[in-house]
Amino acid sequence: DSGVTQTPKHLITATGQRVTLRCSPRSGDLSVYWYQQSLDQGLQFLIQYYNGEERAKGNILERFSAQQFPDLHSELNLSSLELGDSALYFCASSARQGNSPLHFGNGTRLTVT
Amino acid sequence: QQQVKQSPQSLIVQKGGISIINCAYENTAFDYFPWYQQFPGKGPALLIAIRPDVSEKKEGRFTISFNKSAKQFSLHIMDSQPGDSATYFCAASSPGTASKLTFGTGTRLQVTL
Repeated sequence: DSGVTQTPKHLITATGQRVTLRCSPRSGDLSVYWYQQSLDQGLQFLIQYYNGEERAKGNILERFSAQQFPDLHSELNLSSLELGDSALYFCASSARQGNSPLHFGNGTRLTVT
Repeated sequence: QQQVKQSPQSLIVQKGGISIINCAYENTAFDYFPWYQQFPGKGPALLIAIRPDVSEKKEGRFTISFNKSAKQFSLHIMDSQPGDSATYFCAASSPGTASKLTFGTGTRLQVTL
């Protein structure tokens, strides 16, 4: 068990809808990362937060947004969902911004119908 | 733009054999190279990592070989076991952002009896 908790485990929704994925990092970890895993794209970095502040952005669509709250949990908001957004979304945490291992949660499987 | 290329996509090895997975990178600024292991339904878990100041790192049955001039690194699993059957991802990151990982596309390893 990595200590990173993601909810929900599964999410099925329709195109055009909006969903929120939640992540609780390991106790004491200040950095949170979101990754998208799809069959044809592998693991793609979306966004990183450190102690509540956005620190790095990857290939995150404008329809997606995220935030990290004072208690360090993070939420990834996906809006105007398209079929192509169906994927596994992973949250990872680390103790610092860099030079520390990433600990991944077990992901949220999003299916857009 | 795929900055870390991984091969093969899939690999079948007999129990007791050696599994070898290769990765090549393009960005010469990368200085941290971890390997992650992912079982179905789980998030990736850090297996072993190396920095370019050494050419090899061994942890138990797992060894990373690193060739800086060729910009290649590989994972060797000695005495492969059925329990090693999983998907393996190589990754790389640049200084100061070591936890913002760029992943390879993954190798599905199956170890047969």
